[in-house]
Amino acid sequence: RKEVEQDPGPFNVPEGATVAFNCTYSNSASQSFFWYRQDCRKEPKLLMSVYSSGNEDGRFTAQLNRASQYISLLIRDSKLSDSATYLCVLNYGGSQGNLIFGKGTKLSVKP
Amino acid sequence: GAVVSQHPSWVICKSGTSVKIECRSLDFQATTMFWYRQFPKQSLMLMATSNEGSKATYEQGVEKDKFLINHASLTLSTLTVTSAHPEDSSFYICSAQGGLGYEQYFGPGTRLTVT
Repeated sequence: RKEVEQDPGPFNVPEGATVAFNCTYSNSASQSFFWYRQDCRKEPKLLMSVYSSGNEDGRFTAQLNRASQYISLLIRDSKLSDSATYLCVLNYGGSQGNLIFGKGTKLSVKP
Repeated sequence: GAVVSQHPSWVICKSGTSVKIECRSLDFQATTMFWYRQFPKQSLMLMATSNEGSKATYEQGVEKDKFLINHASLTLSTLTVTSAHPEDSSFYICSAQGGLGYEQYFGPGTRLTVT
């Protein structure tokens, strides 16, 4: 089983739609969780960290379920600029980082 | 703040030659730098972790004699792909970690094509 699994998509949604992505992870020792976005042929950029209590940043909401070992990202009122690949990322903690990346879920927001 | 640059942004080289990629943290001191590689439609894969002034730690399957990493200062790390082959063609991305948190800041990446 892969360490981080994501539905590759693509998710094609109209502007204004609400879309949700899930990600499952296999190692219960994972300590920190993140969502990054990566535009085509660009580097990943941190979108938000994911906390056990769930967190919201504008139109984006992230949730973590440690018992079931999955995290989710909800995007409300999708914009054209949200089109990107969303990467589920985790690490095992400690000062060395050791980020583990999922392959990403591709989102395409259409006018 | 927390800007990381990479140079060059893309490079085309002939098989057998060596290519050096620079990664710089522009506005902070990076105690740790990471080198990743991403093949098309694949996830980023960590190649190695380097701390300033010490030898890099390579991930399993990454040849340390082929991918030379030097982290000579708190703002600069270099990756040299020696005797490059077409299968080394990939998107190489560095990230830098520093300060109080464990957050990594990514460089814009270097696209290497070996012909």
